Amino acid sequence: EIVMTQSPASLSVSLGESATLSCKASQHVISNVAWYQQKPGQAPRLLVYSASTRATGIPPRFSGSGSGTDFTLTISSLQPEDSAIYYCHQYNNWPPRYTFGQGTKVEIK
Amino acid sequence: EVQLLQSGGGLVRPGGSLTLSCAVSGTTSGTYAMNWVRQTPGKGLEWVSAISVNGRGTYYEDSVKGRFTISKNTSTNTLYLQMNSLRAEDTAVYYCAKERSGAPNDFEIWGQGTRVTVSS
Repeated sequence: EIVMTQSPASLSVSLGESATLSCKASQHVISNVAWYQQKPGQAPRLLVYSASTRATGIPPRFSGSGSGTDFTLTISSLQPEDSAIYYCHQYNNWPPRYTFGQGTKVEIK
Repeated sequence: EVQLLQSGGGLVRPGGSLTLSCAVSGTTSGTYAMNWVRQTPGKGLEWVSAISVNGRGTYYEDSVKGRFTISKNTSTNTLYLQMNSLRAEDTAVYYCAKERSGAPNDFEIWGQGTRVTVSS
């Protein structure tokens, strides 16, 4: 099983500042990584796929990067609505053995 | 706009059965794989099962293999998860999720989630 390790577990960032979230895969997953945002009581929402491609309707302040085992989600100019938990997800296996990171909670100061 | 509308779920006793449904609207292309993912406070997001584009390939996480069955009805565009021999550790919010196209791929659309509680 490919283990996805996210860091930090939580961070508190001032409004308008940037946040950098990390995700490390235990094996190479090429660029088959997605990032999701989840707010309380809601389903996860796709932000980025293929490590760096923003999903439809996602503002440009969300950007993903990385390949191989190290991936980053950067949220620039944080807005109040960005307060959420963010998960990375690898989909590099077939047959599928998809795995998710444990999440990073982002709070706005 | 593609939407996934889930139904089913609820409270069931250990050893019992439950069926979850996920109706897909806004697309009839059928060129996508579908998945079930569950979420618990302790284990976070956990992939449970997937079904291939043509429906002939079904795949399961080890702990549910032999107890859960994923299926889909292409004429009604509905995904199912039949859950048998339920255990307390199956208690979770279950989400259906549509892959971008084919597989393996990201989960571009998610259902709203449905809670399953296994308890006596």
